[in-house]
Amino acid sequence: IQMTQSPSSLSASIGDRVSITCRASQAISDTLAWYQQKPGKAPKLLLYGSSRLEIGVPSRFSGSGSGTDYTLSISSLQPEDFATYYCQQYDGHHITFGQGTRLDIK
Amino acid sequence: EVQLVQSGAEVRKPGESLKISCRTSEDDFVTYWFAWVRQMPGTGLEWMGVIFPYDSDTRYSPSFQGQVTISVDKSISTVFLEWNSLRASDTALYYCAKLAVTTFPHAFDMWGQGTMVTVSA
Repeated sequence: IQMTQSPSSLSASIGDRVSITCRASQAISDTLAWYQQKPGKAPKLLLYGSSRLEIGVPSRFSGSGSGTDYTLSISSLQPEDFATYYCQQYDGHHITFGQGTRLDIK
Repeated sequence: EVQLVQSGAEVRKPGESLKISCRTSEDDFVTYWFAWVRQMPGTGLEWMGVIFPYDSDTRYSPSFQGQVTISVDKSISTVFLEWNSLRASDTALYYCAKLAVTTFPHAFDMWGQGTMVTVSA
């Protein structure tokens, strides 16, 4: 299953609402996770099951979608949110990641 | 606090072998799947494979099948990633990661700090 993330990069301001999308090459039944990675750090799980927030993750992060199309939304950008975001599908017998979306400050 | 602690950075020549490790303090080590994920310089994340320590069940990404070996030593709660003959294209940061649940596949809820492997003549 191939995962196509868009956009590949995004510039936004503090307080903005942003959305990142991920499209799977076939339906994946909500088996979709989102990660945040900051430079020099390991990825951090934000959401799984398309919309389930990992413990400790701020509620400004949310996920939605179904079938092949999924979205990560950040409702009001904070300074610590500027990072690279990856989607990951875990349907079937393999795992694949999207190519990443770099979110930086406008 | 449960952690995944990886071995340190390595520098090798093409053709050499290498085995890197990931140790966990997870009490239920044998009942979770542990994976390896590659991140080449300036690029994204690639899943390489997973292992289930309870019975050493191992699954590989088609892209990495036959290129690497994933193994486990339950006595020291450690998983390994091994190469028999490194290539320059193996230069990357390698993460170990733990699946969030006891069934494969799923999301990864814990990550090691990464091991940088550099392969250069």
